[in-house]
Amino acid sequence: EPEVTQTPSHQVTQMGQEVILRCVPISNHLYFYWYRQILGQKVEFLVSFYNNEISEKSEIFDDQFSVERPDGSNFTLKIRSTKLEDSAMYFCASSGQDRETQYFGPGTRLLVL
Amino acid sequence: AQSVTQLGSHVSVSEGALVLLRCNYSSSVPPYLFWYVQYPNQGLQLLLKYTSAATLVKGINGFEAEFKKSETSFHLTKPSAHMSDAAEYFCAVRGDTGRRALTFGSGTRLQVQP
Repeated sequence: EPEVTQTPSHQVTQMGQEVILRCVPISNHLYFYWYRQILGQKVEFLVSFYNNEISEKSEIFDDQFSVERPDGSNFTLKIRSTKLEDSAMYFCASSGQDRETQYFGPGTRLLVL
Repeated sequence: AQSVTQLGSHVSVSEGALVLLRCNYSSSVPPYLFWYVQYPNQGLQLLLKYTSAATLVKGINGFEAEFKKSETSFHLTKPSAHMSDAAEYFCAVRGDTGRRALTFGSGTRLQVQP
């Protein structure tokens, strides 16, 4: 069964450093998303992406965040200058033609020191 | 705007007992509703979804949920709990407005006692 994959599974970085989280969505899917879950808190929507542009973003997704689909398979989330409060599990998701169901990857646990 | 409230951050049941996880939603438009399960150190797996068809929805692993508009509820049930059901369960809502962002509840951790 096709699945969303994410790399790395864990990343530790120093405050102020740039990080890139990578995702490979399900191959025929067209809609891509990033969510995050701070430890002990709700899963929160960050951004959705369709047709090579951001279609929706939350208040969390400020100028330090960016997304990109650099090729036909990868979908990345970049955090330009990480802060302590960016420590969280970051989930990538994708959806296909039905647009209703989002399939989530296993997540990348980011720790900012 | 949408919101989800999951009553009970922790639920404990005995193996073989009924599982009932509560979810109430708020939505200004007809909602799409989802239950996801998260096993330890894993991602979110879709259990089931309601998308304005049948109000009783059957999902994987013997789970089902009933959409009750009058109660704005979408409670998750399973007749007989199994040890492998121990996980965290998230209810989520998406409004039918073309926006696709999911709004999640705070989650319910299910423990199954032998």
